[in-house]
Amino acid sequence: EVQLVQSGAEVKKPGESLKISCKGSGYSFTSYWIGWVRQMPGKGLEWMGIIYPGDSDTRYSPSFQGQVTISADKSISTAYLQWSSLKASDTAMYYCARLSYCSGGSCYLHYMDVWGKGTTVTVSS
Amino acid sequence: VIWMTQSPSLLSASTGDRVTISCRMSQGISSYLAWYQQKPGKAPELLIYAASTLQSGVPSRFSGSGSGTDFTLTISCLQSEDFATYYCQQYYSFPPKFGQGTKVEIK
Repeated sequence: EVQLVQSGAEVKKPGESLKISCKGSGYSFTSYWIGWVRQMPGKGLEWMGIIYPGDSDTRYSPSFQGQVTISADKSISTAYLQWSSLKASDTAMYYCARLSYCSGGSCYLHYMDVWGKGTTVTVSS
Repeated sequence: VIWMTQSPSLLSASTGDRVTISCRMSQGISSYLAWYQQKPGKAPELLIYAASTLQSGVPSRFSGSGSGTDFTLTISCLQSEDFATYYCQQYYSFPPKFGQGTKVEIK
């Protein structure tokens, strides 16, 4: 079974750093892009960025460029989303999702076919 | 930048109704559109991709249509488990974006 298992809920203070994870199983982790999606409380979905674990090619939405860092460790089939200095406005649910397989160019532009259950991040003093 | 307009934002309907949700783009995206369903407290799930292709396991009462700038998600006979929020997503240009969402609630 294809699965993305995300790390547990986090409660942090403003200014702290954080790294959340997303472990893939049941498929070839290095052959699919993995993306991150933010959902602030009561709001819609925001596409943050993606990584291709095979070669660590990473693309960010301009809205999130410089605000977060996406990385992956292919040896343990895990993708990460990290912050160096959290703000209260980072409070949200964060989902990882696999981009559906495609061959050819521009595969970073694709829909998301498998989703993790989400990681809640709460930033409060 | 492609602007997306998803409507309505809220739709009140009854079990058995036929409902349609619209997603309009500011420029043509061919058929590079997906639809997702999100139930409260749950992760989104893929329903439709390439504007009209049903994801495996999704009931046939769901259908998608359109190309270019105008797209529609139709639920032919609303079931109790379909009350949820629905999002369109364009993946034609970077960054891929989601629509604002349509909440389908019980009338």
